[in-house]
Amino acid sequence: AQSVTQLDSQVPVFEEAPVELRCNYSSSVSVYLFWYVQYPNQGLQLLLKYLSGSTLVKGINGFEAEFNKSQTSFHLRKPSVHISDTAEYFCAVSSDQDDKIIFGKGTRLHILP
Amino acid sequence: DTAVSQTPKYLVTQMGNDKSIKCEQNLGHDTMYWYKQDSKKFLKIMFSYNNKELIINETVPNRFSPKSPDKAHLNLHINSLELGDSAVYFCASSRTGGNQPQHFGDGTRLSIL
Repeated sequence: AQSVTQLDSQVPVFEEAPVELRCNYSSSVSVYLFWYVQYPNQGLQLLLKYLSGSTLVKGINGFEAEFNKSQTSFHLRKPSVHISDTAEYFCAVSSDQDDKIIFGKGTRLHILP
Repeated sequence: DTAVSQTPKYLVTQMGNDKSIKCEQNLGHDTMYWYKQDSKKFLKIMFSYNNKELIINETVPNRFSPKSPDKAHLNLHINSLELGDSAVYFCASSRTGGNQPQHFGDGTRLSIL
C-alpha cells in the first residue's frame, strides 16, 4: 500500500521569499509522483510530475520539485513567490500496481504582503 | 474548450432528496473518477471507471451510484441525501496507467439543508 504525508497543513510566506512545501511518501514499489495546485473555487491542476529520469523536475509557474529516493521525499520549491500563488497544494503518488492516485492532505500556501 | 465539465456547479437541497451530478470529458481519456473533498480539503476517491467498467469502488454508501453511459461521461446519483454528504464533488479523467496525470473539473458544491 502507498501513502503520502504532507508535513505542513499551512505555510505562511512573505511575497518574493522562497518557499518549500514538504512531501514524503511510502511505497514498496516504484512510484510516480505528482504535485497539484488548487486555486480557490477551482479543481486541481497539475503543477509537475516525476515519472523517471532526472530527479529535478520543473513545472508550471516557476515551481520545481526534487525526487529523493533515499529519503522518500518529493519536496516542492519556488525561489520567489507571488500573491497569485495563494492556493492549496497537493502531493500525490501512484504506481503501475494500482489503479488510483493517493493524495496527501494538502498544504495551504498563504502569501503575506 | 472545457476539458472536464461538471454540472451543476452548485447544488442546494434538503435532506432526503435525490440528486444527480453530471460529468463529461472531451480529452478522449479512458478512465474517469469521482472524488469527494470535505471542508478540510481532504480529497477522497469514491469511484473510478475505465471504458465504462467500474474498477474502483471505495467504501461509499450504497446511496451513491455512478453511471457511465459511455467513456466520455460519468454521472453520480445520490439517493436520500444526508447532512454528511455536504462537500465538493470533483470529477476527473485520465489516460489509463499509473503514470498518467488526472484532469479535474471545477467541482460541484453540494449543500444539504
